[in-house]
Amino acid sequence: EVQLVQSGAEVKKPGESLRISCKGSGYSFTSYWISWVRQMPGKGLEWMGRIDPSDSYTNYSPSFQGHVTISADKSISTAYLQWSSLKASDTAMYYCARPEGPEGYWGQGTLVTVSS
Amino acid sequence: QSVLTQPPSASGTPGQRVTISCSGSSSNIGSNTVNWYQQLPGTAPKLLIYSNNQRPSGVPDRFSGSKSGTSASLAISGLQSEDEADYYCAAWDDSLNGLYVFGTGTKVTVL
Repeated sequence: EVQLVQSGAEVKKPGESLRISCKGSGYSFTSYWISWVRQMPGKGLEWMGRIDPSDSYTNYSPSFQGHVTISADKSISTAYLQWSSLKASDTAMYYCARPEGPEGYWGQGTLVTVSS
Repeated sequence: QSVLTQPPSASGTPGQRVTISCSGSSSNIGSNTVNWYQQLPGTAPKLLIYSNNQRPSGVPDRFSGSKSGTSASLAISGLQSEDEADYYCAAWDDSLNGLYVFGTGTKVTVL
């Protein structure tokens, strides 16, 4: 069974750093790109960027380029999303996903709350 | 910001047919296939339609998708109470080295 399992909810203060994770199982992790998607409270879905786990090539949405870093460790089938300095506006649910068909897969989401 | 435009809401009574539109441009829907996602309250999105009109295994055939030019549509026939959810279209955009864009989202209410 294909699964994307994300790390748990985080509560951070502005200016702190954070890395959240997404572990893939049940398939060849290096064969599929992993995307990260943001959903702010009560809002829609926003694609942040993606990574090819086979070589760690990334491409980012211009809206998120420079604000987050996407990485992967293929030895443990895990992708990461990280911030060096969080802002209150980073408060959101973050999903990792293999969003395309024929069988799209999504993680359960990681809620990140940034508050002083 | 979203470059695919959807109506904010749609509604119908049980058994009715509801259609949701998704309007894009030549660089996204006009050049690439469209996917649709269903997001039930408090849950992660789920792929509902891929490649314009294909259903993943397990998705009821009440859900269908179509595309024409720079627009796409999702139809839900025989509306059921469990279809009450948010629906998003999405497509790759050929600008800026590849960008996956989501629609603005449509809340479907079953009256």
